[in-house]
Amino acid sequence: KNEVEQSPQNLTAQEGEFITINCSYSVGISALHWLQQHPGGGIVSLFMLSSGKKKHGRLIATINIQEKHSSLHITASHPRDSAVYICAVSTGNQFYFGTGTSLTVIP
Amino acid sequence: DVKVTQSSRYLVKRTGEKVFLECVQDMDHENMFWYRQDPGLGLRLIYFSYDVKMKEKGDIPEGYSVSREKKERFSLILESASTNQTSMYLCASNSPSWTVRYGYTFGSGTRLTVV
Repeated sequence: KNEVEQSPQNLTAQEGEFITINCSYSVGISALHWLQQHPGGGIVSLFMLSSGKKKHGRLIATINIQEKHSSLHITASHPRDSAVYICAVSTGNQFYFGTGTSLTVIP
Repeated sequence: DVKVTQSSRYLVKRTGEKVFLECVQDMDHENMFWYRQDPGLGLRLIYFSYDVKMKEKGDIPEGYSVSREKKERFSLILESASTNQTSMYLCASNSPSWTVRYGYTFGSGTRLTVV
């Protein structure tokens, strides 16, 4: 069973498009994390949130605790946004990861 | 800048070899983790450690062991490498007080190929 489900698995967009990646989870959580992994690279944390909405530059993350759902939005997408985006939830000291969404932004 | 350093970015090993993957963190974190990442499967926990000389099995410990002799260093050992252990290996660390607020800090990963 997967505690964290992401959609879509793969996403191709034209530069400038608005992008949404979705994450649903089935466990009680302390926090939800959005992570970014560039090809061949390590993972960096984009957002950690437990309620509401956070914004950093062109990235926006929202969470609905009642519906156990989060979205990551990218406005005015750019080729440098091409990466794998991973949703993860923390429950106490344990993390559960989604399988990731591979995003390719075409110039 | 906080750091988790993995000793190798790319490794190629032969079937049956004993393989050591090293991870060092400079943040005085109590918790350290080893994950493997495979397409379509996401990140899967192999082993973790909450303290020096302490280790706990994760979801997929078979074929692996770990060592934590010092707080800053967590080693993953493949006793006899097999081709199905070809994967990206990621080390992470955090502190219990950080878990809820800051999540993990990840290393840059080691891509291991077993031939």
